[in-house]
Amino acid sequence: DGGITQSPKYLFRKEGQNVTLSCEQNLNHDAMYWYRQDPGQGLRLIYYSQIVNDFQKGDIAEGYSVSREKKESFPLTVTSAQKNPTAFYLCASSTQLAGSYEQYFGPGTRLTVT
Amino acid sequence: LAKTTQPISMDSYEGQEVNITCSHNNIATNDYITWYQQFPSQGPRFIIQGYKTKVTNEVASLFIPADRKSSTLSLPRVSLSDTAVYYCLLLYSGGYQKVTFGIGTKLQVIP
Repeated sequence: DGGITQSPKYLFRKEGQNVTLSCEQNLNHDAMYWYRQDPGQGLRLIYYSQIVNDFQKGDIAEGYSVSREKKESFPLTVTSAQKNPTAFYLCASSTQLAGSYEQYFGPGTRLTVT
Repeated sequence: LAKTTQPISMDSYEGQEVNITCSHNNIATNDYITWYQQFPSQGPRFIIQGYKTKVTNEVASLFIPADRKSSTLSLPRVSLSDTAVYYCLLLYSGGYQKVTFGIGTKLQVIP
């Protein structure tokens, strides 16, 4: 059963701690993305990756870091430099980076930092 | 400048047809009109995509006039489970452009 998995579904951290959100896909997609969603808002792009070992900053990359060591994995680290990290984080993938290709989304991780 | 404009919210009774219109006056030749659906605390899900005229699938229909400056997502006979946020996007087929999900249209289906 192909798809995108994100874990955990809920994550709680203390302020000042780094935290890594997992994203795995078995769709054999080249492109992967991370979005952030705040209550009542749309999705904002954090990072995206076209191929292994390559990734680009999105609109709100400050305070976040990513890696793409394997095609199927694109973990996101929320660092202590991110001023307002509490949000709903969504990972997505698509066949190619070209915009018209459908993006498949994972179930999301809700991060709460106190 | 926003690429698309759609109503912030809509209400509909169960069993009715719902039409959500999206304006995209500056649509480019290589843009595909694409709609996603998002339920609370879930990731968005692709519904339908079109370039011109009419596209229909098992979930919805998409109507696009000849000038492509607007589009209408039509949901037939909605049920309570169609309560969700619907996003209208322009996806560029000529290469990569960052995808922008605005706040979408929050559809509330009423029993």
